[in-house]
Parts: sequence; C-alpha cells; structure tokens
Amino acid sequence: DARVTQTPRDKVTEMGQEVTMRCQPILGHNTVFWYRQTMMQGLELLAYFRNRAPLDDSGMPKDRFSAEMPDATLATLKIQPSEPRDSAVYFCASGRGINEQFFGPGTRLTVL
Amino acid sequence: AQKITQTQPGMFVQEKEAVTLDCTYDTSDQSYGLFWYKQPSSGEMIFLIYQGSYDEQNATEGRYSLNFQKARKSANLVISASQLGDSAMYFCAMRENSGYSTLTFGKGTMLLVSP
Repeated sequence: DARVTQTPRDKVTEMGQEVTMRCQPILGHNTVFWYRQTMMQGLELLAYFRNRAPLDDSGMPKDRFSAEMPDATLATLKIQPSEPRDSAVYFCASGRGINEQFFGPGTRLTVL
Repeated sequence: AQKITQTQPGMFVQEKEAVTLDCTYDTSDQSYGLFWYKQPSSGEMIFLIYQGSYDEQNATEGRYSLNFQKARKSANLVISASQLGDSAMYFCAMRENSGYSTLTFGKGTMLLVSP
C-alpha cells in the first residue's frame, strides 16, 4: 500500500533555528504539494511542483521559506530562521495528474 | 471572497443515520473539480470523493455521495448510514483548471457521530 511519507512527524525547536521537513512522494507521482494547516487559517497551499519543477510558491513567505525537489523521490521544505508563528502542521501531498492528491501524515512543528 | 464555503462548523448525527455536509464554491471557470477529504483525530488527510464539473452523474464512493448542483454552485457530501468511525473533520476543496491545478480548501466541518 503506497503512501506519502514525511519526516519528522513532530518537531519542536526554538525561534531562530533552521527547520527542514522532508517528504517522499508515492513512486510514480509527478506532482508534489506542500500545505500548512493552522486553526486560524485552515489549509493553505505553500508550494507546488510538477515533474520536480516549482510551478507555484506564491503562498510561501519567500524571506524564510524555501522548497526544493532535489530528485523525484524527495521534496524538502526549509524554514530559516523559524518563528513562533510558523507553528503548524505541514502536509506534503503527491499525485498523478490533476485529479488526485494523496496526503502524507504531516509534520507537526512547534516553534518556541 | 472565499472560494470554498463550509457553513457548518460542527454537525452531530446518530449512528446509522444519514448526514449532509454543506459546501458551496465560487469560480468563474467552466472546468473545475470538487473534492472531499476526511481528517480524523490522527491528523492524516484522507481522500473521499471527486466530482468533475462536466460530470453529469453525482459521484458516489461506497457510503459517500456528492450532491452536485452546478447552478447553485454547491457540492454537498452525503454520508449514508453513519458509523462511529466517521467522526472527523471534513474538508471540501476545489481545483480550478485555469490555475496550476492546486486545491483550495474550505474551513472544514467537524462531524460527531454518537451511538
């Protein structure tokens, strides 16, 4: 049963530290999405890749966030420096084509 | 303006009863897709059902069906014969074909199923 995997599942860090979240999309999927979920804002799209190329990262604060796909099996989301307002659950999702998005279990980030 | 509106913050239903979760959407695209996801307390997002804007039949997946009313721009999720395991947050989402095929989510509805 293929699944999107995300590491770490939980991360607690101090303000100012760098945070890197990793996602392994389902093999064969060519689209990868990063979402952030908070109680106040709900689910927000941060970045979107198709065939490893970033197509939309308009939802991402550019000064501190960066998203990359070094290869087809790995997507990363980095925050540097982290701030308390970045505390959220970060989801990665992957799919084939436009009608499917399978979500990973999420990374719960707490920035103190 | 919100693109996806879920007006019910919470819904209660008794086991074995049917329940309808409301979703209205706003788009000027002719071609778009509508999705429902379930998020149980464990946190994962589980895809439930998809409806394309050109699909003439309402989508069904087991106990889930989507009541698609295009003129009213509504895409309500109907869960028949509720089970205790259906207790979760439910999110409606839309993909507009004019964009990069990303999903815009509603705020969600919390469904609680009681015995």
